[in-house]
Amino acid sequence: NAGVTQTPKFRVLKTGQSMTLLCAQDMNHEYMYWYRQDPGMGLRLIHYSVGEGTTAKGEVPDGYNVSRLKKQNFLLGLESAAPSQTSVYFCASTVSPGFYGYTFGSGTRLTVV
Amino acid sequence: GDSVTQMEGPVTLSEEAFLTINCTYTATGYPSLFWYVQYPGEGLQLLLKATKADDKGSNKGFEATYRKETTSFHLEKGSVQVSDSAVYFCALIPVGNTGFQKLVFGTGTRLLVSP
Repeated sequence: NAGVTQTPKFRVLKTGQSMTLLCAQDMNHEYMYWYRQDPGMGLRLIHYSVGEGTTAKGEVPDGYNVSRLKKQNFLLGLESAAPSQTSVYFCASTVSPGFYGYTFGSGTRLTVV
Repeated sequence: GDSVTQMEGPVTLSEEAFLTINCTYTATGYPSLFWYVQYPGEGLQLLLKATKADDKGSNKGFEATYRKETTSFHLEKGSVQVSDSAVYFCALIPVGNTGFQKLVFGTGTRLLVSP
């Protein structure tokens, strides 16, 4: 049981480049989330999904897009990377938020230069 | 709105000392409460949880009791180890409400344990 797997683990982008972060879970969870973690800012929700084919904006969605074409995968896209998007990105999933909380991936450290 | 307040860090302790990290919350409804731990370079791991008033969550020697009357969920451990050095996050999910349920995190408290 792999849990929540994020790829890649590290990436350096140049300003204006695009990339996709992949989150995969093998627990048949309905709910999936993308967070960013920055020093002094805590964890901030970017986008989330309450089921296959659904997505919604979180607190800081600008500059990001997401897709949930398959239940087990939640993709986070950066169309034109900016230095302000340098951060550590965490994916999480759950079957029941109120009872189980979330299961987190190990993170993707992204640097935009 | 819903919020979680944690004590400022870092908390610096010697090995085998007693640990308390304070957490208080503001929420509508009856939230579920969680403590997460983040070791250096890793993601957040669920440490313990409590889903109703007076519940005590426990794991790996850590404990926290859901106190509705004081809206608190303080984390305690009787004897810390160097390996407990990490950042600890208190969090809540308001339940009993309609709509999307989102984890609300505190800002985290860094614990440093020296030998």
